Amino acid sequence: AQRVTQPEKLLSVFKGAPVELKCNYSYSGSPELFWYVQYSRQRLQLLLRHISRESIKGFTADLNKGETSFHLKKPFAQEEDSAMYYCALTSQAGTALIFGKGTTLSVSS
Amino acid sequence: ETGVTQSPTHLIKTRGQQVTLRCSSQSGHNTVSWYQQALGQGPQFIFQYYREEENGRGNFPPRFSGLQFPNYSSELNVNALELDDSALYLCASSHRGGANTGELFFGEGSRLTVL
Repeated sequence: AQRVTQPEKLLSVFKGAPVELKCNYSYSGSPELFWYVQYSRQRLQLLLRHISRESIKGFTADLNKGETSFHLKKPFAQEEDSAMYYCALTSQAGTALIFGKGTTLSVSS
Repeated sequence: ETGVTQSPTHLIKTRGQQVTLRCSSQSGHNTVSWYQQALGQGPQFIFQYYREEENGRGNFPPRFSGLQFPNYSSELNVNALELDDSALYLCASSHRGGANTGELFFGEGSRLTVL
């Protein structure tokens, strides 16, 4: 079964602290994995994808096939990072994204 | 470049009624996907349309149906509404294969409340 698990509903950190949003997945084969973000009163948007190996807004995510994880990390959180973050993977059929339940990141000063 | 627009933004229906939600895709995109997002949950795939035909379907009953028009806009129809259909319905447009690249562009959603 294809599944994405985000174990934390809420993660609260102080500005400048490191952030790690956890994502674990279940998938047969090589998954395409993504992080989406939804800022307050904005629409859901792509943050980054594992295949690009890029850093966006200081965030990175490494695919660990052994641990079936794709955790999102940032060394120093900013208040503007406060948002809802969703981990997602492409379905086996390639037509859909399967989302986790999301984690709310709250960064306070 | 025009983004994905959805209408209506909010609506209230009663159990047993039917509803139609509309979506205009982003300029240049030929594929539209619909997702249901219940409170506290992530978006869940309903179906996808490409070239006016259903191109993939999630675990939703047949009373969820859709259309795609020649201009790539789309409708989601839900018949015989149930209380559990209360959710935010998201439309996402993309090029074909957008789910593989993650390049789905979402609308702001239509919030449906079923009483």
